[in-house]
Amino acid sequence: NAGVTQTPKFRILKIGQSMTLQCTQDMNHNYMYWYRQDPGMGLKLIYYSVGAGITDKGEVPNGYNVSRSTTEDFPLRLELAAPSQTSVYFCASSPPGQFGNQPQHFGDGTRLSIL
Amino acid sequence: TQLLEQSPQFLSIQEGENLTVYCNSSSVFSSLQWYRQEPGEGPVLLVTVVTGGEVKKLKRLTFQFGDARKDSSLHITAAQPGDTGLYLCAGALWETGNQFYFGTGTSLTVIP
Repeated sequence: NAGVTQTPKFRILKIGQSMTLQCTQDMNHNYMYWYRQDPGMGLKLIYYSVGAGITDKGEVPNGYNVSRSTTEDFPLRLELAAPSQTSVYFCASSPPGQFGNQPQHFGDGTRLSIL
Repeated sequence: TQLLEQSPQFLSIQEGENLTVYCNSSSVFSSLQWYRQEPGEGPVLLVTVVTGGEVKKLKRLTFQFGDARKDSSLHITAAQPGDTGLYLCAGALWETGNQFYFGTGTSLTVIP
């Protein structure tokens, strides 16, 4: 069982470059999320999606874009990379549930450095 | 501003000792989850609590959701080196459903 798969695992970007972080899940989950985790901190929600064609902003969306054309895939796009976007990015998915009581399944993360 | 505050931020204890980690907020949550994260990996769900005052046990781990649904605690009895990791609480608000807010995390080290 693959679960949630993130690629790449590591990446170094130069300031101003752009890239797409890939996330795919094989559990047929409706809900998908993108978080960032800075050293010694918890996770901050960037964007989330409740189904194909529907996306919404989280706590820290500036500098990022997402799309959800299929149930399985939820790519995160960084335009004009900045040093402040150096972080570990986690993708997660969950089945829908009443009042957020469903478990989130996380990928192993993408470690991104902007130099 | 951080919606959920965890304490302590760091904890280093000897094997066999007991410990409690706290997760506090001024907001009311519909549910609260606890995760453990190991270096280089994503968080893994330990438990979900959904009822105020609820207590759940997972082997040596005891989780409690506050009566007012604003706080939670994680108690570990007789800690073992395998308990080492980053413990994260995450809460969902009534008005935002499946949008989760994570706490600041507690890094636990259990020394053999």
